[in-house]
Amino acid sequence: GENVEQHPSTLSVQEGDSAVIKCTYSDSASNYFPWYKQELGKRPQLIIDIRSNVGEKKDQRIAVTLNKTAKHFSLHITETQPEDSAVYFCAARLNTGTASKLTFGTGTRLQVTL
Amino acid sequence: GAVVSQHPSWVICKSGTSVKIECRSLDFQATTMFWYRQFPKQSLMLMATSNEGSKATYEQGVEKDKFLINHASLTLSTLTVTSAHPEDSSFYICSARPPTGIAEAFFGQGTRLTVV
Repeated sequence: GENVEQHPSTLSVQEGDSAVIKCTYSDSASNYFPWYKQELGKRPQLIIDIRSNVGEKKDQRIAVTLNKTAKHFSLHITETQPEDSAVYFCAARLNTGTASKLTFGTGTRLQVTL
Repeated sequence: GAVVSQHPSWVICKSGTSVKIECRSLDFQATTMFWYRQFPKQSLMLMATSNEGSKATYEQGVEKDKFLINHASLTLSTLTVTSAHPEDSSFYICSARPPTGIAEAFFGQGTRLTVV
């Protein structure tokens, strides 16, 4: 099955700096890669996703890049703000229908300091 | 976006008792729902895939007799933790996707189970 690795496990940045979180996946058939933000005790919230036919996607301060050959994808947050502090999870899935499973990375705890 | 609702949000039970958690898709029909368990400071681990009208598919290492899943309708899946023990204390979350080609998975708000 799919295996997703995520680094770093913790990341501390100063407000205004950029944050980068990296993930690798094992199943070359995976074609959908979402990123989730989870605050303590809350449900994961989708912040951005990318499909395998796209190399990069951007939404305001958040961007995701995908390298299919290397099976890497990364989350980039620019101009970080204290409210960006949370745990971020990457995930991968073979998008064959509503029964296809998401495999999550191990998570990155992002701390944005003033 | 689609809405998935989970109930209860938190529950405390005595060791040896059973607890039922409900997951509902409020504005779409879900033939498949997923149940995850999340221990503190860890990732979401898929426990099982709940299939409407048929048996759930459990991930390796998850005891199907301990974690009973019932998906009796297209909008409701239930997870029952039977004979709960303190090590079952965790955050349980369900998710589902609407059958409209949307890639995003929608999550319930989660249930914090504490077994004392």
